[in-house]
Amino acid sequence: RKEVEQDPGPFNVPEGATVAFNCTYSNSASQSFFWYRQDCRKEPKLLMSVYSSGNEDGRFTAQLNRASQYISLLIRDSKLSDSATYLCVVNRGFKTIFGAGTRLFVKA
Amino acid sequence: NAGVMQNPRHLVRRRGQEARLRCSPMKGHSHVYWYRQLPEEGLKFMVYLQKENIIDESGMPKERFSAEFPKEGPSILRIQQVVRGDSAAYFCASSPDRPDSNQPQHFGDGTRLSIL
Repeated sequence: RKEVEQDPGPFNVPEGATVAFNCTYSNSASQSFFWYRQDCRKEPKLLMSVYSSGNEDGRFTAQLNRASQYISLLIRDSKLSDSATYLCVVNRGFKTIFGAGTRLFVKA
Repeated sequence: NAGVMQNPRHLVRRRGQEARLRCSPMKGHSHVYWYRQLPEEGLKFMVYLQKENIIDESGMPKERFSAEFPKEGPSILRIQQVVRGDSAAYFCASSPDRPDSNQPQHFGDGTRLSIL
């Protein structure tokens, strides 16, 4: 079993839809959590950090559930430009573990 | 440009040659990470270095691959005697502190390595 698991998708949604991704991690010693997005053949870019209290940045909301060991990303009012692969990232000690990513396609 | 700088952007080598990939971290960052990404696959961690030290090389192939981050100059990922299977995108990232400091990593544009 991988230490960080994501549903690979793809998620195909129309513009304006709300879409949610989950990511589970297996090691309870994990300390910090992030969501990145990666466009085709480009570098990963930090989308947002994830805090226990939850955090929001515009149309994006991230949540952390330490008891159940999962993090989530909610995207409201999807735009065509949101089409990308979303990567869940977990830090544990000196290790950084990337999930394999969830692909999102937003269509007009 | 204050971001992570990688060069070259594209590198073509013939089988058996050596490939050297360079990474200059963001200003103020002393922690460097190398990742490899094969087409249509996820990022695979290779190595984590802090100035002059290799902290974690658990993702590095045992042979032909080496990495360094000298006191002066960029971090170097070196691949000796390249084979076709080494063709991939190699990304470098940096952070100002250890992963457990809650600081995210910032990525460079990557080096696309093609082996003929």
